[in-house]
Amino acid sequence: GDSVTQTEGPVTVSESESLIINCTYSATSIAYPNLFWYVRYPGEGLQLLLKVITAGQKGSSRGFEATYNKETTSFHLQKASVQESDSAVYYCALGDTNAYKVIFGKGTHLHVLP
Amino acid sequence: EAGVTQSPRYAVLQEGQAVSFWCDPISGHDTLYWYQQPRDQGPQLLVYFRDEAVIDNSQLPSDRFSAVRPKGTNSTLKIQSAKQGDTATYLCASGTGYEQYFGPGTRLTVL
Repeated sequence: GDSVTQTEGPVTVSESESLIINCTYSATSIAYPNLFWYVRYPGEGLQLLLKVITAGQKGSSRGFEATYNKETTSFHLQKASVQESDSAVYYCALGDTNAYKVIFGKGTHLHVLP
Repeated sequence: EAGVTQSPRYAVLQEGQAVSFWCDPISGHDTLYWYQQPRDQGPQLLVYFRDEAVIDNSQLPSDRFSAVRPKGTNSTLKIQSAKQGDTATYLCASGTGYEQYFGPGTRLTVL
């Protein structure tokens, strides 16, 4: 079936360190999957961080980047230098064409130490 | 622009009781979603609508759960006879394709 697997948390890093949260997907019933990273900051609702709908392309937002790699079925989230305000739960997600139906990973808790 | 609103924000029930959740999507969004998010899990789709029509309710436990969106705007999700396994946060989202906007959720505890 269709599924998303991501780094199990919690992940703890110090401010200004680099970060990578791994995400791999399986899209057996979706011919052209769309890929997303969503984030939930403390006390806030789930919100879209970045999206990529074409294989080989890179998405970026708020200093985060993720590249849609169809060969390795991966969509890892990276940031060169994290800030304490990046502490949140990050969800990798897979959508069907037009992204009307979205499948989420379990989420990765990120704690950034000052 | 107002975001997606949900009520109530919290609910605590005994097993066997009924509960309804209400969602007001962003104006103009034709698609509305209900998700169940158990603790330490990602959101799991229960049902989604385009306008007033149900597009996919294959993951909705139909014997106890029901969802309606009669005028293609607000929506109600109802649990007829709650079980402890229904303890989760229930999220509503709306969108027009490619992006979903989420409400704050209703945290349900079934004792």
